[in-house]
Amino acid sequence: AQSVTQLDSHVSVSEGTPVLLRCNYSSSYSPSLFWYVQHPNKGLQLLLKYTSAATLVKGINGFEAEFKKSETSFHLTKPSAHMSDAAEYFCVVSEGSARQLTFGSGTQLTVLP
Amino acid sequence: GAVVSQHPSWVICKSGTSVKIECRSLDFQATTMFWYRQFPKQSLMLMATSNEGSKATYEQGVEKDKFLINHASLTLSTLTVTSAHPEDSSFYICSAPAGSETQYFGPGTRLLVL
Repeated sequence: AQSVTQLDSHVSVSEGTPVLLRCNYSSSYSPSLFWYVQHPNKGLQLLLKYTSAATLVKGINGFEAEFKKSETSFHLTKPSAHMSDAAEYFCVVSEGSARQLTFGSGTQLTVLP
Repeated sequence: GAVVSQHPSWVICKSGTSVKIECRSLDFQATTMFWYRQFPKQSLMLMATSNEGSKATYEQGVEKDKFLINHASLTLSTLTVTSAHPEDSSFYICSAPAGSETQYFGPGTRLLVL
């Protein structure tokens, strides 16, 4: 069985400061891991994905995440937050062919001016 | 990237009526699509897997007679909420896998049952 835990329900940062959104996963097999972003009343957009290639994954809009098997973590980072980054972020895990996804509870990112 | 559309984007209906939501893959074929439900301030919960040409697979606790799924073609899946009640009010999102590793999500349908 697979599961994912997002450690913070809310994160607040100032514009221009680093962002860290934490995610831990549990999987019986080699997982695929994803980060999705959801802006208010919008659908989900894929930020980045890990599928057993390089452990440091670069995504869109300056985000990146590092897969650490020893820590079962897949934290999302960005060096400098922008106001437009304010949204809900979901860490997602999948086993096998990535066809059935398990979502974390989400982290609401607030960016202060 | 691949595009998935949903229609309608929002719907308001009276209690007891049925509502149909369409999910289309616009530039790729999808033999499988997924339907999720998201309540306010909560995460997405998988409701069912829609399979083209065969019956849908429902997650535990989801009433198959209430949430009817039809995957009539390689680009279209529909979710019908039958005899909707206020507790069915939610944000319904579909997704379709393109390739083996990535799923693309529709923009969602917001349902409000009065």
